[in-house]
Amino acid sequence: EIVLTQSPATLSLSPGERATLSCRASQSVSSYLAWYQQKPGQAPRLLISDASDRATGIPARFSGSGSGTDFTLTISSLEPEDFAVYYCQQRSSWPLTFGQGTKVEI
Amino acid sequence: QVQLQESGPGLVKPSQTLSLTCTVSGDSISSGSYYWSWFRQPAGKGLELIGRVYTSGRTNYNPSLKSRVTISVDTSKNQFALKLSSVTAADTAVYYCAREIGDPWGQGTLVTVSS
Repeated sequence: EIVLTQSPATLSLSPGERATLSCRASQSVSSYLAWYQQKPGQAPRLLISDASDRATGIPARFSGSGSGTDFTLTISSLEPEDFAVYYCQQRSSWPLTFGQGTKVEI
Repeated sequence: QVQLQESGPGLVKPSQTLSLTCTVSGDSISSGSYYWSWFRQPAGKGLELIGRVYTSGRTNYNPSLKSRVTISVDTSKNQFALKLSSVTAADTAVYYCAREIGDPWGQGTLVTVSS
């Protein structure tokens, strides 16, 4: 199965700063990569699908880029509600797999 | 908008079968060509795919769980279901249902395996 490695494990930033999260795949996933946000006690929420397509209702400060094996989620200016855990997920091959998560903390 | 809700026992004994149902509201489970998925997340850990079902009944399972998993769909009730047999403490987790890769997700339900 495809292994997704996220870095860093934890990102300590302040509101208003830019966040850059990385996801690397063990083999090419083309553009079949999604990003999710998860807050404590809540289900994950889809932010980005197919590497760069923002899901419905997701603010423009969230953007995704990359293809093949290297992907990036960028939050241009952190809002207080953005402090959470972020997961990447690939759907290029079965089974779908997730990265281990990046925690964005204040 | 589509909403999903998991239901089922919150406590299952070791070696028994975990059974959960996901009820889809806001649209017919058969509309579009979607598939419907189950995921799980142990406390403090990451997300794991369990498997998926199409409204035709076709299924795909995570190879790591395949021998113990059955996912089914009941279009007349707008529901799909998960059965996981021979559970152990390692199967204790929050179980989520979702449309396709996860858009949207249900709120999740905690299932604890304990005697």
